[in-house]
Amino acid sequence: NAGVTQTPKFQVLKTGQSMTLQCAQDMNHNSMYWYRQDPGMGLRLIYYSASEGTTDKGEVPNGYNVSRLNKREFSLRLESAAPSQTSVYFCASRVEPPPAKNIQYFGAGTRLSVL
Amino acid sequence: EDQVTQSPEALRLQEGESSSLNCSYTVSGLRGLFWYRQDPGKGPEFLFTLYSAGEEKEKERLKATLTKKESFLHITAPKPEDSATYLCAVQGYSNAGGTSYGKLTFGQGTILTVHP
Repeated sequence: NAGVTQTPKFQVLKTGQSMTLQCAQDMNHNSMYWYRQDPGMGLRLIYYSASEGTTDKGEVPNGYNVSRLNKREFSLRLESAAPSQTSVYFCASRVEPPPAKNIQYFGAGTRLSVL
Repeated sequence: EDQVTQSPEALRLQEGESSSLNCSYTVSGLRGLFWYRQDPGKGPEFLFTLYSAGEEKEKERLKATLTKKESFLHITAPKPEDSATYLCAVQGYSNAGGTSYGKLTFGQGTILTVHP
């Protein structure tokens, strides 16, 4: 049981390049999330998907797009990368109540540098 | 808007020296408060969830408690392997939305270092 798997683990981009971060979960969870983590800022929600076929914006969606490909997979795309998008990106999926209410499980992260 | 503040930002302990980490929060109706552990280069790992004031949870040397304004993570006789960043997060009813999407608001974390 792999849990939440993110690829790639590391990526370096030049300003203006595009890329897609991949996330897959094997826990049959309905809800999935993308966060970014920056020093001193905590984890901030970029986009989420409450179920297959639906996506919604979180706190910091500008510059990103997402696709919920199926129940297992939720991808994050940077269309034109900017240095401000240098960060560590985490994907998570959520256990839905009951009995384990709202617990989110995280992947290992993708470390992205935009030069 | 939900807010979470963790203190201290960093804490250094000697092995066996017990202490507590604080998580202060403001939320319009608490659905849950979550503690995670994060090791360098890894994703957050779930530790505890607390749902109502007065609730307590324990796991090995860790004990989490909850009041209406804050949560404490008590570490008893810590070992070097307890060194990590500890994250606190809340989910409020204001974040639930029509689909209860489970948005978490995180604090900045406390970096714990336990020296042998």
